Amino acid sequence: ETGVTQSPTHLIKTRGQQVTLRCSSQSGHNTVSWYQQALGQGPQFIFQYYREEENGRGNFPPRFSGLQFPNYSSELNVNALELDDSALYLCASSLVDRAAEQYFGPGTRLTVT
Amino acid sequence: AQSVTQPDIHITVSEGASLELRCNYSYGATPYLFWYVQSPGQGLQLLLKYFSGDTLVQGIKGFEAEFKRSQSSFNLRKPSVHWSDAAEYFCAVGSLNQAGTALIFGKGTTLSVSS
Repeated sequence: ETGVTQSPTHLIKTRGQQVTLRCSSQSGHNTVSWYQQALGQGPQFIFQYYREEENGRGNFPPRFSGLQFPNYSSELNVNALELDDSALYLCASSLVDRAAEQYFGPGTRLTVT
Repeated sequence: AQSVTQPDIHITVSEGASLELRCNYSYGATPYLFWYVQSPGQGLQLLLKYFSGDTLVQGIKGFEAEFKRSQSSFNLRKPSVHWSDAAEYFCAVGSLNQAGTALIFGKGTTLSVSS
């Protein structure tokens, strides 16, 4: 069974730029969720995707957007990067009928300078 | 609003001693409850979960947790801590968010293990 994978591991961007983070779901999982974890904090829910559509969203602005592909992999896109976007971005996958039971990838560390 | 509180920011226990990490939640319905562990620079690993039924749940690595509805608590326990248990521990509640299910996390408890 393949777990959740994310790429890249680390990323450094400049304020105002755009970034795309990628996630491959655990084998058999059809729902993907994204979280932002600032240093010293718990993860904050960004959004969830199922059947290639956004299925729930947290308190994040529209410059945070996502995609889910037919193979259930996913992308998180962030436009107009701000310094406060520096964080660990975590992807989690689950089955739609047990969407709360989420399995996390190792994360992508984004630094905005 | 749904929330999770972990009252202890940092706990230090001796190797071989017992451990209890506290978690309190605020949620209007029957909650889905979880404990995750995070090693430095790593993602989150699911330790255990509570959906329904027996209020004492067993997890991986010798951890267990007890759901107490009257106290809105879901405390994590381990009878004998190993040095490798040193990590950040997060309690989370599953919250229905429109059609989806978001996890709401506490701020975490850092566990240090002394020899």
